[in-house]
Amino acid sequence: GQNIDQPTEMTATEGAIVQINCTYQTSGFNGLFWYQQHAGEAPTFLSYNVLDGLEEKGRFSSFLSRSKGYSYLLLKELQMKDSASYLCAGMDSNYQLIWGAGTKLIIKP
Amino acid sequence: GAVVSQHPSWVICKSGTSVKIECRSLDFQATTMFWYRQFPKQSLMLMATSNEGSKATYEQGVEKDKFLINHASLTLSTLTVTSAHPEDSSFYICSAQTRTGGPYEQYFGPGTRLTVT
Repeated sequence: GQNIDQPTEMTATEGAIVQINCTYQTSGFNGLFWYQQHAGEAPTFLSYNVLDGLEEKGRFSSFLSRSKGYSYLLLKELQMKDSASYLCAGMDSNYQLIWGAGTKLIIKP
Repeated sequence: GAVVSQHPSWVICKSGTSVKIECRSLDFQATTMFWYRQFPKQSLMLMATSNEGSKATYEQGVEKDKFLINHASLTLSTLTVTSAHPEDSSFYICSAQTRTGGPYEQYFGPGTRLTVT
């Protein structure tokens, strides 16, 4: 079956670094997406990885290891506005996204 | 670019009535549109996938006669919640995807909050 696993909740301190892990199992693989979702709002796209390695985009970076079925989202210099849920999603051979349940990130001052 | 709009952003209706939600891709052609539902503090739940000009594919457990989806053009899909009941109250989100070139990212609309009284 298809499955995405990520932690339910994480807490970090403003200014620090946090890594949100995700493991995936999909029928075929067309990439791994990370989305950010603030409470009461729709998800917004953060990153896409289809090849192994690290993709850096400002304060956010995303890593993929296809052999391990593993990805992580790295957030640096955390700001209070980064408090949100972070959704990991794997794209299967039909180009459909298989969603994780999301990781709620709580930032403390 | 890649903007998706959704209308209305929120709606309150009485039990037994029907509600139509529109999803539009404003600056690209969406070959595929998705409808999600999200209950408070829960993850996105895919309801159905629709390709332009063909019938929608519903996920298991989603009643196709209750949630009518029409994907009439490459820029418009509608979801009609028929005979709405309080348990249908939820946050409904559409996303649009173009399958002409990668990475086939889904662009999300802002969502529609439905409250059935």
